Amino acid sequence: AQSVTQLGSHVSVSEGALVLLRCNYSSSVPPYLFWYVQYPNQGLQLLLKYTSAATLVKGINGFEAEFKKSETSFHLTKPSAHMSDAAEYFCAVRDSGNTPLVFGKGTRLSVIA
Amino acid sequence: DSGVTQTPKHLITATGQRVTLRCSPRSGDLSVYWYQQSLDQGLQFLIQYYNGEERAKGNILERFSAQQFPDLHSELNLSSLELGDSALYFCASSSPLPEAFFGQGTRLTVV
Repeated sequence: AQSVTQLGSHVSVSEGALVLLRCNYSSSVPPYLFWYVQYPNQGLQLLLKYTSAATLVKGINGFEAEFKKSETSFHLTKPSAHMSDAAEYFCAVRDSGNTPLVFGKGTRLSVIA
Repeated sequence: DSGVTQTPKHLITATGQRVTLRCSPRSGDLSVYWYQQSLDQGLQFLIQYYNGEERAKGNILERFSAQQFPDLHSELNLSSLELGDSALYFCASSSPLPEAFFGQGTRLTVV
């Protein structure tokens, strides 16, 4: 069965610092991979997706993620954190386009002024 | 706006009661997924429907059921409610794109 591991349930960074949120997946076939963001009292919003095209994927709000098959990783980065980036971030995987997404437990990002 | 509409946004009900949550998927999306989000369990997949048929089942309790109607909207029925059923319930839709689009969720509080 697929699974997603997000290292660190809570990450705290200073405003302007690098954001790095870690995600490792287990999948027996080349997967689709996603990062979603959830702001308080809101639904999940797609940040970016990997669908076997370029391994470096750019998303919204300056975020990007790199697919590394050898490490089964899909870490999310942003060069410079902004206060508005404070939210919960979820990594998700699916085997094909019509199977349910499997989510990690989420990482709460705090940004300190 | 994701295009996925969930109603109601909030629901407060007593233990033992039954409620129905409604979801309208994005125009053109054939798949509907239901997820439960709680503090201790995270985002748990409950059930998926594709074009009216049940496609996949996750950690859905027997007290819970769902269906997808010919117009593709879906309903999640929760019965014999317990305090532990209090959670955020999300609906998502997809197809033909691989990503899923989420509604704003229904916050269920069982008292």
